[in-house]
Amino acid sequence: DTGVSQNPRHKITKRGQNVTFRCDPISEHNRLYWYRQTLGQGPEFLTYFQNEAQLEKSRLLSDRFSAERPKGSFSTLEIQRTEQGDSAMYLCASSLSVGLAHIQYFGAGTRLSVL
Amino acid sequence: DQQVKQNSPSLSVQEGRISILNCDYTNSMFDYFLWYKKYPAEGPTFLISISSIKDKNEDGRFTVFLNKSAKHLSLHIVPSQPGDSAVYFCAASEDKLIFGTGTRLQVFP
Repeated sequence: DTGVSQNPRHKITKRGQNVTFRCDPISEHNRLYWYRQTLGQGPEFLTYFQNEAQLEKSRLLSDRFSAERPKGSFSTLEIQRTEQGDSAMYLCASSLSVGLAHIQYFGAGTRLSVL
Repeated sequence: DQQVKQNSPSLSVQEGRISILNCDYTNSMFDYFLWYKKYPAEGPTFLISISSIKDKNEDGRFTVFLNKSAKHLSLHIVPSQPGDSAVYFCAASEDKLIFGTGTRLQVFP
């Protein structure tokens, strides 16, 4: 399977704990995106990378959230001191940066439940 | 301020008939528009896109129409099949994607 891979698929944590999610993009894609989706809403942009450079962060993104893509391949999204409002589906997507760059391919997501 | 809107939360269509899903946007600077399909517990799956310089793009049973003057696009599925039952999201591209809230399509026999 050469699609976008996200781990874990589900994460249950207690309020105040830190969590980290991993995303492995399609191998030839140099752009990687993180989105968050809550019930009844469309995915909401969080941040994106081109290679290892983080090019944009949503102004809605709390400073408890941090993302890295250290070698321009996989990426991690960390949430510190989780709150119940962080409960959501976290989606990762990847794309090329030229040609069909507008088409993003999504992973299956990590569902976070904060108790 | 929602830049991409899907005003119909749900749509029910008989198998074999046409499904028309609608989307409105506010920013005339978007360069591409995309449609994604989503099943429960899966990520969105890309269906079809259209450049802002085009007014129609077709791929098999799926056609997307863009009306720039009205800032409106629509997805036509003909003929509709039960396997098309899913949530459909419209998205606009400015590097990142800006999504609408989705329309749940149900295709019944």
